[in-house]
Amino acid sequence: QQQVKQSPQSLIVQKGGISIINCAYENTAFDYFPWYQQFPGKGPALLIAIRPDVSEKKEGRFTISFNKSAKQFSLHIMDSQPGDSATYFCAASKSDSWGKFQFGAGTQVVVTP
Amino acid sequence: DTGVSQNPRHKITKRGQNVTFRCDPISEHNRLYWYRQTLGQGPEFLTYFQNEAQLEKSRLLSDRFSAERPKGSFSTLEIQRTEQGDSAMYLCAASLPGSGNTIYFGEGSWLTVV
Repeated sequence: QQQVKQSPQSLIVQKGGISIINCAYENTAFDYFPWYQQFPGKGPALLIAIRPDVSEKKEGRFTISFNKSAKQFSLHIMDSQPGDSATYFCAASKSDSWGKFQFGAGTQVVVTP
Repeated sequence: DTGVSQNPRHKITKRGQNVTFRCDPISEHNRLYWYRQTLGQGPEFLTYFQNEAQLEKSRLLSDRFSAERPKGSFSTLEIQRTEQGDSAMYLCAASLPGSGNTIYFGEGSWLTVV
């Protein structure tokens, strides 16, 4: 059973546009929600992460929005650039399971010039 | 650079052969993780070590898989009697003491079983 569901599977956005990726989780014990960025042939790289005690976290052009009651969180990429073209994964874990993540299936983002 | 090195980066092997992957984190990394990623999917947790102790193994880690971390430094993941379903990228990740849930992945080792 997939504990973290991610959508959309892929998206195309024009340069300068906003990319939005959504994730939903089942386990209410999850309390750490990172997003990873992965380029072809490379390992995932941590982008930004949030804990459920805040509803939003922003780092540069990347923002996580978190809705605890709905058990949903999303990644917004503002002013999307061609260099942002990659696969993005959401993940979730529990505090007592450090490093043991449940990952979403990934979203392939293509930013067109 | 995440400080986590993996080799070989690519391995093609015939079904039934054994393969071994190695992960070298920097010395400060106390926790080390192995994940598996198949095409079009997110990584799946396999096992993790705290220093040299293997603390948890996923049900995905069948009897043909064995991981070790002697002396709490580098780690190896061995797959015996490989099957075509083992074809995937095997990712090693590590974390620093006190870093909580923050883990850093290596670039992965691609396995193709033919």
